[in-house]
Amino acid sequence: EADIYQTPRYLVIGTGKKITLECSQTMGHDKMYWYQQDPGMELHLIHYSYGVNSTEKGDLSSESTVSRIRTEHFPLTLESARPSHTSQYLCASITGSSHEQYFGPGTRLTVT
Amino acid sequence: KNQVEQSPQSLIILEGKNCTLQCNYTVSPFSNLRWYKQDTGRGPVSLTIMTFSENTKSNGRYTATLDADTKQSSLHITASQLSDSASYICVVSDRGSTLGRLYFGRGTQLTVWP
Repeated sequence: EADIYQTPRYLVIGTGKKITLECSQTMGHDKMYWYQQDPGMELHLIHYSYGVNSTEKGDLSSESTVSRIRTEHFPLTLESARPSHTSQYLCASITGSSHEQYFGPGTRLTVT
Repeated sequence: KNQVEQSPQSLIILEGKNCTLQCNYTVSPFSNLRWYKQDTGRGPVSLTIMTFSENTKSNGRYTATLDADTKQSSLHITASQLSDSASYICVVSDRGSTLGRLYFGRGTQLTVWP
């Protein structure tokens, strides 16, 4: 069982609101990722981090931003949510040795 | 273009039956291939991970095979159970960067009926 957590699990908010999706892991992994997944579709990488103070944009263009001030936390922020941001957001981290990637339970975001 | 294609898109089987899911990829240079199980509304959970030199790997009733020459993999589920109903995702990693770029398939949606 992987120790990677996401909060909230479900969120319904109105357009224009600022939101932060939390992700934390207790495994000491340096590499962390954010993916966006629409129903029945593949995961798309939107942000990743190699370690503290290191963040990069992924393949899918996203209006979100991330920060990595501590190894265990990798929050994702939307400054002004729009209906197009409605999706499932998955956080993941990876071990250095086995390259095993562990996923959090996801946050289901709905913007009305 | 690096891609991962899975088939079938969806599959319905009766409890107790076996099934095989397919994954074809064009990712190069190849590093490893993973199979994940994703329950509805949850994050993916790893089933197997195979490197270039591994042909088969088992995890309980799940057996994955890899043919690196033809760039094909399969996931065989034996004696299916209702709890096997989920999406099964094939993920291929390349060796082109320190990130170990991951390419995701769209998944096969498996439904097991009693």
